[in-house]
Formats: sequence, structure tokens, C-alpha cells
Amino acid sequence: DTAVSQTPKYLVTQMGNDKSIKCEQNLGHDTMYWYKQDSKKFLKIMFSYNNKELIINETVPNRFSPKSPDKAHLNLHINSLELGDSAVYFCASRGAGGFYEQYFGPGTRLTVT
Amino acid sequence: AQKVTQAQTEISVVEKEDVTLDCVYETRDTTYYLFWYKQPPSGELVFLIRRNSFDEQNEISGRYSWNFQKSTSSFNFTITASQVVDSAVYFCALSDLEVSSSNTGKLIFGQGTTLQVKP
Repeated sequence: DTAVSQTPKYLVTQMGNDKSIKCEQNLGHDTMYWYKQDSKKFLKIMFSYNNKELIINETVPNRFSPKSPDKAHLNLHINSLELGDSAVYFCASRGAGGFYEQYFGPGTRLTVT
Repeated sequence: AQKVTQAQTEISVVEKEDVTLDCVYETRDTTYYLFWYKQPPSGELVFLIRRNSFDEQNEISGRYSWNFQKSTSSFNFTITASQVVDSAVYFCALSDLEVSSSNTGKLIFGQGTTLQVKP
């Protein structure tokens, strides 16, 4: 009955590789997000999607490409991984109609070596 | 620009002590939401509370209470009779009210406060 799920939970890869993280929500929400949490625990928005459409890219490099095949899914593809991409990536979804809290997936810990 | 400041980086208390986590925010919007999230050592982000800008009523939920003061742009969180299980990183966050072409509803997070409750 997981509300927001992400796969994989851990991802270890080498510099230069391409990898994807998948996110799915079963809450019926229209709006989804990707956040990045760095080694100092600071959480920062990366992308905002509403009804499968990108609302804003928060100055994230082009190597990061989100894709939303439908309202329940928001995947993140990263090309040419760099050491600085090592972080925990969280997917989230947001309700509407007065229920605006965001629910987060369990996070994907990406380690680039 | 919107900003959330949690000036306390780390707090350490002994079990059963009360502890208050401070949160100060900046926004030019007249309507907005404020949130608190908990991140335990296991890493997930757990929603605790949402408060909208036109509701300054304080809230209590068990050992947790929240004090929202618009006049000082603060949304502080108090844990009464702390327990070891309260040990976590706590984040305060701010967002727009609605999602539109100009508002994404994204969360602007504070830096987080690490709370350690010792037995």
C-alpha cells in the first residue's frame, strides 16, 4: 500500500555512466517533484511536474532529464554521471483541493565512484 | 525570494526534556503553506503538519505542538517530554498555496535541525 515508491533504493555506479530512477505514486495526485538531498542533508527542488507537464526546471544541468509517462509516474534519467551527483534523490507528490502536503518516496541513494 | 531558516543546527537533550525547534521564514506572498517534516535515521521523510497562512491557530498533537506567529514569520515546533524515538532531523518548509503556471507548489526547505534525545 505504499503511497510513493521509488526504485532502486541504492544505486552505485561509475563516472560517465547513465542511470535511471523510477517513481510511482498511487495517491491520484496531479503534481510530482524531484528533490535532491546533499551530504549536508540540505533538500533542494529539482523539477516540478503537473499533469505530466514540466512546470519548472530549477536550474538543473541538462544531463538530468525527467519523464512523466502518465500522472502516476515521474522518472529521472541522468546522463554522464559525475562525482557531484552523489546524493539522495527523493520523489514526491502533492495533493489538491486543500490537501497540499507532499508525500515523499523512500529516496534513492546514488553513489558515483 | 522565499527562504526558510532553521538556525539551530543540532540540539541534544535528555529524555523527558521539552525541546523547541525554531523556524523563521521569508516570503512576499500573502498566502502560503508551512510544513514540518521528520527524517529519522532510516532516511525517509515523514510529514508532520501543514499550516496555511490565514490560520494562526496553534496546534497540538499528542506530545507535539506548533506555534505559528505571522507577525514574526515564525513557525516553531515543540516536543514535550522528548523520547529517544524523537531523534531525527526535522525540516521546516514553505510552499505556494496553489499550483499554476507561475506557482509550482514546490517546498522550500530550511537547513534542518538534528535532534538527539539521549536516554
